[in-house]
Amino acid sequence: TQLLEQSPQFLSIQEGENLTVYCNSSSVFSSLQWYRQEPGEGPVLLVTVVTGGEVKKLKRLTFQFGDARKDSSLHITAAQPGDTGLYLCAGANTGGFKTIFGAGTRLFVKA
Amino acid sequence: DAEITQSPRHKITETGRQVTLACHQTWNHNNMFWYRQDLGHGLRLIHYSYGVQDTNKGEVSDGYSVSRSNTEDLPLTLESAASSQTSVYFCASNSDRGEQFFGPGTRLTVL
Repeated sequence: TQLLEQSPQFLSIQEGENLTVYCNSSSVFSSLQWYRQEPGEGPVLLVTVVTGGEVKKLKRLTFQFGDARKDSSLHITAAQPGDTGLYLCAGANTGGFKTIFGAGTRLFVKA
Repeated sequence: DAEITQSPRHKITETGRQVTLACHQTWNHNNMFWYRQDLGHGLRLIHYSYGVQDTNKGEVSDGYSVSRSNTEDLPLTLESAASSQTSVYFCASNSDRGEQFFGPGTRLTVL
């Protein structure tokens, strides 16, 4: 059974601080996605990484896929209150059949 | 623009009643999924379908059923609602890379 472990589970920080969220597995994935979910809404896709070692940037968010395609990290620079939400990582295999989700990291950024 | 919709957005029902939650997507994706999301459990897969007439059980399928008569729709039925099925339900479809596109969710309360 493939599992994705996210850490930390909960993070409360001040505006302007930096943070990193980790997503780890013992399994190899063809691709890995990061989603953000706000209260009362469904998760929204932020990014997909597919190549080992790949780094993608989305404004203040930096996503990295591990060389072995088993882990990933999300780094937020100078967090803002608008970054508050639940961040989910998810791994998928070729063909997109079934996606494995991590339990999520709940981020709260205080003004 | 392509989208995925769910109805109703909120539902209150009584124990023992049959309930059907609708999910409709215009992405033309073959793969569709139903999840429930509860505090402390993250997203848990209920049922999924890889195409018309195909349905499969997920990790928490007891008490639920789905049918797939066309590409666009995957209704979820609770045969006899139980209080343990009070939850937020999300429908999703995914691309060949496993990128999931979620509906807005249905909040179900079983009294």
